[in-house]
Amino acid sequence: EVQLVESGGGLVQPGGSLRLSCAGSGFAFSTYWLTWVRQAPGKGLEWVANIKQDGSEKYYVDSVKGRFTISRDNAKNSLYLQMNSLRAEETAVYYCARVGSWGLRDWGQGTMVTVSS
Amino acid sequence: QSALTQPPSASGSPGQSVTISCTGTSGDVGGYKYVSWYQQHPGKAPKLIIYEVSQRPSGVPDRFSGSKSGNTASLTVSGLQAEDEADYYCSSYAGSNNVVFGGGTKVTVL
Repeated sequence: EVQLVESGGGLVQPGGSLRLSCAGSGFAFSTYWLTWVRQAPGKGLEWVANIKQDGSEKYYVDSVKGRFTISRDNAKNSLYLQMNSLRAEETAVYYCARVGSWGLRDWGQGTMVTVSS
Repeated sequence: QSALTQPPSASGSPGQSVTISCTGTSGDVGGYKYVSWYQQHPGKAPKLIIYEVSQRPSGVPDRFSGSKSGNTASLTVSGLQAEDEADYYCSSYAGSNNVVFGGGTKVTVL
């Protein structure tokens, strides 16, 4: 069974940093693109970042470029999202997901990030 | 990276069909076969129900079907059931390894 489990969310002040993690199991982790998607309370889904199988290519939504960094450790079956200079409007549930044919085939349960003073 | 356009709501009675549209541009929906649809129940993670415009992952009922014409993709739910009441999101590959989502459609089973 494919499982993705996010962790690392919490309360952070505006301008602060947070590192999210996503542990994968039940599939060949190193052979898939992976992605982060967020959902603000009561709002829709927003793609945040993608990373290629070997980590050599990374792509971001314009609003997080230069502040967020996606990375992965295939030896640990783990995906990460380093978030710096956080803004209040980035309060959201952050999901990690496995990409297949540019569809997000499997999702984690999400981790809540609250940016507030 | 503009969001795809979906109607905010749709509804139908049990047994009826409902169709949700997802409008983009030639740079996303119209330019690629990589349109997906997701179902999300309150408090839950989204679930993939359609990929590559019209393909269903294993375990997804054939009541769910997808299609595309030009820059607009559509999801049809036939034989509506109570458990189909949820939010539905489309997404599309948008080139340069980017993905764009629609704003979501709330489906109500009357």
